[in-house]
Amino acid sequence: QKEVEQNSGPLSVPEGAIASLNCTYSDRGSQSFFWYRQYSGKSPELIMFIYSNGDKEDGRFTAQLNKASQYVSLLIRDSQPSDSATYLCAPLRSGGSYIPTFGRGTSLIVHP
Amino acid sequence: GAVVSQHPSWVICKSGTSVKIECRSLDFQATTMFWYRQFPKQSLMLMATSNEGSKATYEQGVEKDKFLINHASLTLSTLTVTSAHPEDSSFYICSASQGAAKNIQYFGAGTRLSVL
Repeated sequence: QKEVEQNSGPLSVPEGAIASLNCTYSDRGSQSFFWYRQYSGKSPELIMFIYSNGDKEDGRFTAQLNKASQYVSLLIRDSQPSDSATYLCAPLRSGGSYIPTFGRGTSLIVHP
Repeated sequence: GAVVSQHPSWVICKSGTSVKIECRSLDFQATTMFWYRQFPKQSLMLMATSNEGSKATYEQGVEKDKFLINHASLTLSTLTVTSAHPEDSSFYICSASQGAAKNIQYFGAGTRLSVL
């Protein structure tokens, strides 16, 4: 069973701080990794994706990938209360699949 | 762009009845649509993948006769929950991808189903 592990949290950070969200995955063949944000009672929305080892920055968000360690993370700089949500890690299945396996998500709370 | 509309957003039905949920891509042609189910505090679980004009591919453990999926056009897919029971109460979410960019999924707003 391919699994995605995330700390359920909640992770609480003060406004303006850096929030660090981590994810490990068991499918060694996964090549593409997606981060989604899901507000309570809403559907997920794509934040960013990463395919290559290293860092990828998009505005206040930075995704980090280490395929050898089967680890992917998301950093949120200058955290805002509006960032309070559940963040879902979703690597695509191996074998060239375009189907993601979702983790249970990490709940982030940014307090003023 | 890339807007996916899902309807209804909330439905309550009696046990034993059937419920149909629609998923439409409004500004693009969705070559592939996905149907997920999410229980409270749980991850999204893929139920099935559907390509326009062909039968849906169901995930292991999902009853295809209970969850009927139709993808008759490039902009519309429907999920029908037949003979619904209280344990089918959940948050159902559709998503769609377009063309060669199958990796990118655009999600509908979801449908909250409550079976009494």
